Amino acid sequence: ETGVTQTPRHLVMGMTNKKSLKCEQHLGHNAMYWYKQSAKKPLELMFVYNFKEQTENNSVPSRFSPECPNSSHLFLHLHTLQPEDSALYLCASSQDQGTGRTGEAFFGQGTRLTVV
Amino acid sequence: GEDVEQSLFLSVREGDSSVINCTYTDSSSTYLYWYKQEPGAGLQLLTYIFSNMDMKQDQRLTVLLNKKDKHLSLRIADTQTGDSAIYFCAERENTPLVFGKGTRLSVIA
Repeated sequence: ETGVTQTPRHLVMGMTNKKSLKCEQHLGHNAMYWYKQSAKKPLELMFVYNFKEQTENNSVPSRFSPECPNSSHLFLHLHTLQPEDSALYLCASSQDQGTGRTGEAFFGQGTRLTVV
Repeated sequence: GEDVEQSLFLSVREGDSSVINCTYTDSSSTYLYWYKQEPGAGLQLLTYIFSNMDMKQDQRLTVLLNKKDKHLSLRIADTQTGDSAIYFCAERENTPLVFGKGTRLSVIA
């Protein structure tokens, strides 16, 4: 248990469905991230939130929509996905302000998404 | 931009030592990390090293940092079948961490 919880662990959805992935961190961190991991590209950074503000969006298609209502929760809203979006979606958090902080990221167990 | 490179595969016999190598480009990196990912799971932090250190040892794990050559290595002593996983090197100067593509370690019994 790393202190970062992702739900659901597995999700199968059709291309016309709308679903959401949830991430919650209990570590008091101020930064949260979504990563996509697939066979083609092992670890792709999708979105970064720092103090609830989105600070990075790595050219992610608009069918992926992140939401960060507070510093403990992060969502990834999915709609009209394609089969090539099937992957493991990982959430992570870190504490990035102040000197002396080691700044490591803590990862959740991931959501295995299959788009049919 | 920042880049972290790792070889993709490593195969070792049980009981031998494994050495996983990583090179990075950002000379301003403050911390460097090793993560382990087992099948179907998230990444788990194994160890980290501060950029002003050249070695860190933690039980069976030894991290070596050559800052001049921007080279990081992870040595696993007495490798066990449970060490089979993907190992990611990462570096940090700012948010977020920059990860390598991962090295898949296979341990042969």
